[in-house]
Amino acid sequence: AQRVTQPEKLLSVFKGAPVELKCNYSYSGSPELFWYVQYSRQRLQLLLRHISRESIKGFTADLNKGETSFHLKKPFAQEEDSAMYYCALNPSGGSYIPTFGRGTSLIVHP
Amino acid sequence: DSGVTQTPKHLITATGQRVTLRCSPRSGDLSVYWYQQSLDQGLQFLIHYYNGEERAKGNILERFSAQQFPDLHSELNLSSLELGDSALYFCASSVTGGGGELFFGEGSRLTVL
Repeated sequence: AQRVTQPEKLLSVFKGAPVELKCNYSYSGSPELFWYVQYSRQRLQLLLRHISRESIKGFTADLNKGETSFHLKKPFAQEEDSAMYYCALNPSGGSYIPTFGRGTSLIVHP
Repeated sequence: DSGVTQTPKHLITATGQRVTLRCSPRSGDLSVYWYQQSLDQGLQFLIHYYNGEERAKGNILERFSAQQFPDLHSELNLSSLELGDSALYFCASSVTGGGGELFFGEGSRLTVL
């Protein structure tokens, strides 16, 4: 069965500092990986997906199949980045169960 | 607005009772997923329906059941409620039955007293 691990429950940084939210996964096939974000009082929404290889709001994430990781990075954090971030995995076959990590709360201090 | 609507937003009930949570997916989306989020827990997958048929089932308790209707809305029924069932229940929808982005509702917060 697939698994997504986000080792940090909370990440606290100051504005302008680099930020990296870690995500490791366990899956035998070729997964589709996502980062979802939930800002205060808003619903969970997609931030980015690995197949797009794009930067959204300054965030990037690279899929490292060797290390089975999909860490989310931003070189200069902003206060508006404060939110809950979830890493998610879509399996490529079998019973289709999108699996989410436990989430990392990012707090960016002024 | 993602278009996924969930009702009710908040629900307070007593142990032993039964509740029904409702989800309307985005227009055109055929898949509906239900997730449970308890305190300090991530999103725990409950069940997935695609075009009216159950596609996958997670660690859903026998006291819980769900269905997707011909108009594609879905209901999650929780019975013989226990204190530990208190959680935020999310519904998400997607266009297909596999792969792609999930669109989430705002969730239904259930409190069992």
